[in-house]
Amino acid sequence: EIVLTQSPDTLSLSPGERATLSCRASQSIFSDYLAWYQQRPGRAPRLLIYTASTRATGIPDRFSGSGSGTDFTLTISRLEPEDFAVYYCQQYSDSAPYTFGQGTKLEIK
Amino acid sequence: QVQLVESGGDLAKPGGSLRLSCAASGFNFRDYFMSWLRQAPGKGLEWVSSMSSSGSTIYHADSVRGRFTISRDNAKNSLYLQMDSLRADDTAVYYCARGSLHCGGDCFDSWGQGTPVTVSS
Repeated sequence: EIVLTQSPDTLSLSPGERATLSCRASQSIFSDYLAWYQQRPGRAPRLLIYTASTRATGIPDRFSGSGSGTDFTLTISRLEPEDFAVYYCQQYSDSAPYTFGQGTKLEIK
Repeated sequence: QVQLVESGGDLAKPGGSLRLSCAASGFNFRDYFMSWLRQAPGKGLEWVSSMSSSGSTIYHADSVRGRFTISRDNAKNSLYLQMDSLRADDTAVYYCARGSLHCGGDCFDSWGQGTPVTVSS
């Protein structure tokens, strides 16, 4: 089973700043089968990125994903107030079992 | 628009059973891989079970294998999760999610609002 470790656990930034979130895998992820989700308080998760760098339908272009192998990054270019949330990475390299990182909380500084 | 509505969450005793349902609308349900995921209070996301569009392929997490059973009724546009031998660590909000065609069903592009399950004596 692939273990995903996200860093940092909490990121404190101000609106307008750039956010960089990391996701590291315990082994190489086949074909960059990695997704990113956003979860706002009290809400269901929302798919942001799949195959490491492709934005899902309706996701603003300030969100971008990069990386390959074992190291992946989610970047939010200019933070909007609604971007403060928890972000999770998920791998689907092995098909099931799908695993998630522990999450990074992006909070307002 | 895509809509997934879960129901069936409740308070159950350890060793008890519950059956969750997910009613889907706004898309061709029979064409999609469907999954259940959960989130324990204050914790992260955990994948639970998945079923292919035809029902021929089923996956379960090790933590629930032998206790939980996923099923679907394509005629009723519905997904189910039969939960038996419940334990305290099954306490969570349970989400129904649609598998994205862009990921071969293995990432999740639509989620329900979740239904809470509490296992306690």
